Amino acid sequence: DAGITQSPRHKVTETGTPVTLRCHQTENHRYMYWYRQDPGHGLRLIHYSYGVKDTDKGEVSDGYSVSRSKTEDFLLTLESATSSQTSVYFCAIRAADRRNTGELFFGEGSRLTVL
Amino acid sequence: GENVEQHPSTLSVQEGDSAVIKCTYSDSASNYFPWYKQELGKRPQLIIDIRSNVGEKKDQRIAVTLNKTAKHFSLHITETQPEDSAVYFCAAHTGTASKLTFGTGTRLQVTL
Repeated sequence: DAGITQSPRHKVTETGTPVTLRCHQTENHRYMYWYRQDPGHGLRLIHYSYGVKDTDKGEVSDGYSVSRSKTEDFLLTLESATSSQTSVYFCAIRAADRRNTGELFFGEGSRLTVL
Repeated sequence: GENVEQHPSTLSVQEGDSAVIKCTYSDSASNYFPWYKQELGKRPQLIIDIRSNVGEKKDQRIAVTLNKTAKHFSLHITETQPEDSAVYFCAAHTGTASKLTFGTGTRLQVTL
């Protein structure tokens, strides 16, 4: 599993509430990513990080913010959750320091439901 | 930015038959093309990948071909088995930050 854990794994919340998802890695990888998965849309990149305090937007970043204050943790925050953010969220790390192939290893996913 | 289109969205084959999934990409600078398999309720996992300096790569029953001129690449699965049933995603890599842009996925069902 490349030492990636996501928390919480399941969450139900109400519209307008803040939500933070956590991705934790144990192998000191530089690159970390947040994707969301929705039927018919595949996996879409929300934000990614290329180092501590270095982050950038992906293709669906509106309504999301991220922080990376430590190498091992990448947090995804929904400041005010909306029903359109109901999704499965996957964290991933890039194993560039293994074979330099660019392979992504995904966490187990966090299922978020916004009522 | 990069745009990846994937077809078909669903594919049903009989056990033992071959399956082909096709993807096109838009950014000619893309240089790495992985395929991921996602079983029901599980995380996506890499099954095969190809770089832009290679036209074809094979690993047992699966193979990937790349046509840089036409900007398309395909996944071929031969002698399909029930355990091949899953959703398959193609992706294209651009940029030094290893941003992967994924296709929308193909749900493959292998029937007995």
